[in-house]
Amino acid sequence: NAGVMQNPRHLVRRRGQEARLRCSPMKGHSHVYWYRQLPEEGLKFMVYLQKENIIDESGMPKERFSAEFPKEGPSILRIQQVVRGDSAAYFCASSPVTVLSGNTIYFGEGSWLTVV
Amino acid sequence: GESVGLHLPTLSVQEGDNSIINCAYSNSASDYFIWYKQESGKGPQFIIDIRSNMDKRQGQRVTVLLNKTVKHLSLQIAATQPGDSAVYFCAESQGTWDTGRRALTFGSGTRLQVQP
Repeated sequence: NAGVMQNPRHLVRRRGQEARLRCSPMKGHSHVYWYRQLPEEGLKFMVYLQKENIIDESGMPKERFSAEFPKEGPSILRIQQVVRGDSAAYFCASSPVTVLSGNTIYFGEGSWLTVV
Repeated sequence: GESVGLHLPTLSVQEGDNSIINCAYSNSASDYFIWYKQESGKGPQFIIDIRSNMDKRQGQRVTVLLNKTVKHLSLQIAATQPGDSAVYFCAESQGTWDTGRRALTFGSGTRLQVQP
């Protein structure tokens, strides 16, 4: 049973370009969370989605950032017109419909975005 | 706003000693806490969790203590090993489990260095 799969693991973009990060949840998981982590800091919540529905996007910047989790395919975090401050590690986590405990929330290995 | 924070950014211990990592939280509504371990270049890994109706919970070589009166959480690692070297995060959440509507709030992390 594959874990949470994120790709790409490393992405370099020039300022002004677009970045697309993908997350495939664990098999049987229908909820996805995206977090951002700056160096030497904790993970900051961005958005919580289930298939075809955004449940909570209170942590998403109002501009340039968007997320989706379509009926088919991975969840995608999209960052338009990237700036250097977007450089960070972006982690995806997934959970079943009913989160029984913390050990049913699984994190991927992250996508490291570098904006040059 | 409400946040979860840690007292010590770096903790250095000798192999075989016990380690204690502390966490203070400010959201009195938080009722569920998780400790994660994060190794360099990897995603957070679940260690142990505790609900607010408990004061203590034990796992394999790890114990989590919760003091709701002073909003303090600690992680104790017995007989610390070199493989325990990592950054440790506490995370908290609140709400109900039945619909899976939980996003985690992470602290800033403590780096544990185990000296051989």
